[in-house]
Amino acid sequence: GAVVSQHPSRVICKSGTSVKIECRSLDFQATTMFWYRQFPKQSLMLMATSNEGSKATYEQGVEKDKFLINHASLTLSTLTVTSAHPEDSSFYICSAQTQETQYFGPGTRLLVL
Amino acid sequence: KQEVTQIPAALSVPEGENLVLNCSFTDSAIYNLQWFRQDPGKGLTSLLLIQSSQREQTSGRLNASLDKSSGRSTLYIAASQPGDSATYLCAGLSEKLVFGKGTKLTVNP
Repeated sequence: GAVVSQHPSRVICKSGTSVKIECRSLDFQATTMFWYRQFPKQSLMLMATSNEGSKATYEQGVEKDKFLINHASLTLSTLTVTSAHPEDSSFYICSAQTQETQYFGPGTRLLVL
Repeated sequence: KQEVTQIPAALSVPEGENLVLNCSFTDSAIYNLQWFRQDPGKGLTSLLLIQSSQREQTSGRLNASLDKSSGRSTLYIAASQPGDSATYLCAGLSEKLVFGKGTKLTVNP
């Protein structure tokens, strides 16, 4: 139980385009989902907290207009990287929370050329 | 602001050795402390979760301890195997989940 999926697992895009990443809780409902970013040899850094039906809460230094988060249902949250640039290349991981425990997705590797 | 530090950054041991990974945190007001495993290019696998009221948790060859007063947690791996090679992350949950940078473990056959 408590499986979280992400799609796509890997994406390569051109600079200036937008990329959407999906995070789904497969066998449970999650009122709260989290988006993290991990640069090489660095720790995971929380980007934003997403609550179903309301606006996401962004961490300091994370541009809300660049990283659009939508949490339309209890099993789906999406992260859209708008006008992506090479510095946005990173590993993006989502997690879904149930009973005060976060379950993590497998991650999405984004490469912006 | 919670800060989590993991020492060492990398560790290489021969197969069969017992080893300890260290994690320290600055804010003792944590709800829980969690250890994860991350394989290269992959997501996180939760290994052990210690609630703030607990002192340790065990799962198979893994044992994690938590000392809130000193701001430390350790992950003990017994009889290490090559399949244990991965990066091990600890994370403390207070206002949010804060991760350390991890310890990259290599177990040599």
